[in-house]
Amino acid sequence: AQSVAQPEDQVNVAEGNPLTVKCTYSVSGNPYLFWYVQYPNRGLQFLLKYITGDNLVKGSYGFEAEFNKSQTSFHLKKPSALVSDSALYFCAVRTGTYKYIFGTGTRLKVLA
Amino acid sequence: DSGVTQTPKHLITATGQRVTLRCSPRSGDLSVYWYQQSLDQGLQFLIQYYNGEERAKGNILERFSAQQFPDLHSELNLSSLELGDSALYFCASSPGLANEQYFGPGTRLTVT
Repeated sequence: AQSVAQPEDQVNVAEGNPLTVKCTYSVSGNPYLFWYVQYPNRGLQFLLKYITGDNLVKGSYGFEAEFNKSQTSFHLKKPSALVSDSALYFCAVRTGTYKYIFGTGTRLKVLA
Repeated sequence: DSGVTQTPKHLITATGQRVTLRCSPRSGDLSVYWYQQSLDQGLQFLIQYYNGEERAKGNILERFSAQQFPDLHSELNLSSLELGDSALYFCASSPGLANEQYFGPGTRLTVT
C-alpha cells in the first residue's frame, strides 16, 4: 500500500539550532512531494514541493527539503530555527493516480 | 489569507441529518480538493475536481458526495451523518492538477 510516514510525533529544538523533520514515503512511480505547515485553528500552508530536478528544494520562510530517491525520503530542514516556526508540519505525496496521501504530522516545538 | 473561502465555519447537527459544505477556490484556480481532518484518522484526502470534472477519489464514503459547479465553486454533501463524521473539513484549490494547494480555513462539523 502507498503510504507516507513521519516517524516523529514531536520534535523539540532550541532556537537558533538547525532543525530536521523527517518524512519517508512508499509510492510507486515518480512521486510529487510536498511539505505543508499548520498553525493552530488554521488551514494548511504550502512550504515547498519536489516534482523533478535538483534534489535540494528551497521553500518559504527559510525551509528546504532534500529528496533522496534511494532512501525514499524527503526530510524538511532549516539551518536556524525560530520560535515562530513552532507548528504542525505535514509531508504529503501525490500518487500516479492523482490521489494525495498526507503523513500524520510532526509537531515542531522551538524552545527559546 | 489563502484566498480560499469555506462556509459555514462551524456546523452542529444531529445524527442521520444531511449537510452541505461550500468552498470557493482562489481566483483562477481550476482544481478543488476536499479533505477530512480528525484526531484519529489524521488528514484524509476525499476527492478532487478539475474544471468541473471529478479527477481523483480518495477515502470518500458512499454517504458523501461532491460536485464542482461551472463557476468553479464546490460543495461537499454529507448525508446520514454519524458521530464519527465529526471532524474538520478542508477545501483546497490549485491552478492545475499537480501544483501546490492553497487551503481554506475549514468547516468544523460536530455531529451530536
